[in-house]
Amino acid sequence: EAGVAQSPRYKIIEKRQSVAFWCNPISGHATLYWYQQILGQGPKLLIQFQNNGVVDDSQLPKDRFSAERLKGVDSTLKIQPAKLEDSAVYLCASSLVPPSGFYNEQYFGPGTRLTVT
Amino acid sequence: AQSVTQLDSHVSVSEGTPVLLRCNYSSSYSPSLFWYVQHPNKGLQLLLKYTSAATLVKGINGFEAEFKKSETSFHLTKPSAHMSDAAEYFCVVIPYNNNDMRFGAGTRLTVKP
Repeated sequence: EAGVAQSPRYKIIEKRQSVAFWCNPISGHATLYWYQQILGQGPKLLIQFQNNGVVDDSQLPKDRFSAERLKGVDSTLKIQPAKLEDSAVYLCASSLVPPSGFYNEQYFGPGTRLTVT
Repeated sequence: AQSVTQLDSHVSVSEGTPVLLRCNYSSSYSPSLFWYVQHPNKGLQLLLKYTSAATLVKGINGFEAEFKKSETSFHLTKPSAHMSDAAEYFCVVIPYNNNDMRFGAGTRLTVKP
């Protein structure tokens, strides 16, 4: 079974530039997550999709970050304009839809390491 | 609010000696708790999970963790460390009825030959 795919693996940009990351989840996984992992910290959820709808984007800085999952499969996360503090690894994960009150394992991609200079 | 605290940012052990990575949680509900491992340049991998069944949970690669409600702890252990265990380990809590994972800050495990 193919895992969660992410691209690019590495990206270096200057502040105020824009950048986009792509994620392709495991086939059949309706739920998709984007996390931000700053160096020395644990991952923090940015946004959660179920199919093409947003379940939770309460921690997404909406003034500069946006994400979409138009066809309910792959997803794109965009930052515009980037700031120095956006330097982090951006992780994508996917899971089956968790039944109410239960948990379904999230499978993570390798991440995209973003450096903003 | 639900959260986890990993008590050590870095643990160093010798190969063949026991591993103990400590995690305390806070939760208003009966939580689900997990340990994930992250090797350099690789994705996070689930080691084990506690979801209100047996309090002693066995995971992959010889790791296990014990849920202790009275101590609000979920420490990760392994009897004998292997060089391949060197990685970053994350303790994670999920509030009941919610798939939103809250990660701890991580513990870097170093294994010396």
